Amino acid sequence: AQTVTQSQPEMSVQEAETVTLSCTYDTSESDYYLFWYKQPPSRQMILVIRQEAYKQQNATENRFSVNFQKAAKSFSLKISDSQLGDAAMYFCAYSTFGANAGGTSYGKLTFGQGTILTVHP
Amino acid sequence: NAGVTQTPKFQVLKTGQSMTLQCAQDMNHNSMYWYRQDPGMGLRLIYYSASEGTTDKGEVPNGYNVSRLNKREFSLRLESAAPSQTSVYFCASSQGTGMNTEAFFGQGTRLTVV
Repeated sequence: AQTVTQSQPEMSVQEAETVTLSCTYDTSESDYYLFWYKQPPSRQMILVIRQEAYKQQNATENRFSVNFQKAAKSFSLKISDSQLGDAAMYFCAYSTFGANAGGTSYGKLTFGQGTILTVHP
Repeated sequence: NAGVTQTPKFQVLKTGQSMTLQCAQDMNHNSMYWYRQDPGMGLRLIYYSASEGTTDKGEVPNGYNVSRLNKREFSLRLESAAPSQTSVYFCASSQGTGMNTEAFFGQGTRLTVV
């Protein structure tokens, strides 16, 4: 079974600074997707960024980027120019591929424990 | 777009009571999921439905049942609630080929069992 580990229960950063959230995972599969989700106090789960395991290039979405190290099974999230609105719980997630008997594919997510990010003005 | 809608948003139950959490999506997605979120444990998959008419167990299915009523709706039932089922419950849906399946989440139901 796949496991996802976020070893930083809490992190803090000053506004406009850069912070990196860590994530490691364990899998025997060679092809998969990795995600970072943001959960603000509203509880809404918001997709921040995704990475395809077979792609060498690290994904980037505006101020958010990842450092994907496939051999090390590491998937960290870097937030540049941090803003007050970035304060939230961040979850790393791994997507397992599957298909039912009818051939419909689906993606089951395995989540890490989460990291609470505080942004100081 | 409404996306994924869950009802209710909050619920308090007494031990032994039953209830059904409702979920509906308007994105024409094939796959739907129920997760529970507990402090320090992230979200864990309870049940999922890859397509209408099928349901399968996830990581933590004990104490729950599900019904995929139609393509839009996927309900989660607690037959006899226990304090260990106090949690935040999320419904999600996805549509995609293979693993590129971004999951869209509802706003969650905070359930307290006393």
